[in-house]
Amino acid sequence: RKEVEQDPGPFNVPEGATVAFNCTYSNSASQSFFWYRQDCRKEPKLLMSVYSSGNEDGRFTAQLNRASQYISLLIRDSKLSDSATYLCVVNEVTGGGNKLTFGTGTQLKVEL
Amino acid sequence: GAVVSQHPSRVICKSGTSVKIECRSLDFQATTMFWYRQFPKQSLMLMATSNEGSKATYEQGVEKDKFLINHASLTLSTLTVTSAHPEDSSFYICSADGAGSYEQYFGPGTRLTVT
Repeated sequence: RKEVEQDPGPFNVPEGATVAFNCTYSNSASQSFFWYRQDCRKEPKLLMSVYSSGNEDGRFTAQLNRASQYISLLIRDSKLSDSATYLCVVNEVTGGGNKLTFGTGTQLKVEL
Repeated sequence: GAVVSQHPSRVICKSGTSVKIECRSLDFQATTMFWYRQFPKQSLMLMATSNEGSKATYEQGVEKDKFLINHASLTLSTLTVTSAHPEDSSFYICSADGAGSYEQYFGPGTRLTVT
């Protein structure tokens, strides 16, 4: 089983749509969680951290369910510029320090 | 703030040669730097973690004698791909974290093509 699993997509949605991505992780000792965005042939950029209480940043809402080891990202009112790959990322604190484990990403294409 | 640079952004080299990639934290001191590799349509895979002044910790399956990491200062880490082969062609990305922070700041990546 992969450490962080995501549906690879692609999700093709019209502009203005609401789209949700899900992610599961296998290590129950994981301590912090993030969504990153990666554009084609670029480095990943932090979109938002994910907290147990759920958190919102504009059109983006992230949720964490520790019991189910499940993370979600909701994007409302999709824009063309939201087209990218969304990476679910889990952090563990190991003897060597922080270690991020990346999912393979979910590709989003927002269309006119 | 929290800018990480990488150099070069793109490199093409011949099989058997060595390539050095630099990763710098420009406006902060990085406790730890990380090196990742990403093949097309795949996830970022952590190769190694390095702390300034100590030996890097390599992930399972990553050859430490092939991927040499030097972390000489709190703002600079280098990755040298020795005796490169075409299968080493990939997108190499470094990241750095500041003291006490879980967040990692990523460099723009280096695209290596070995011919």
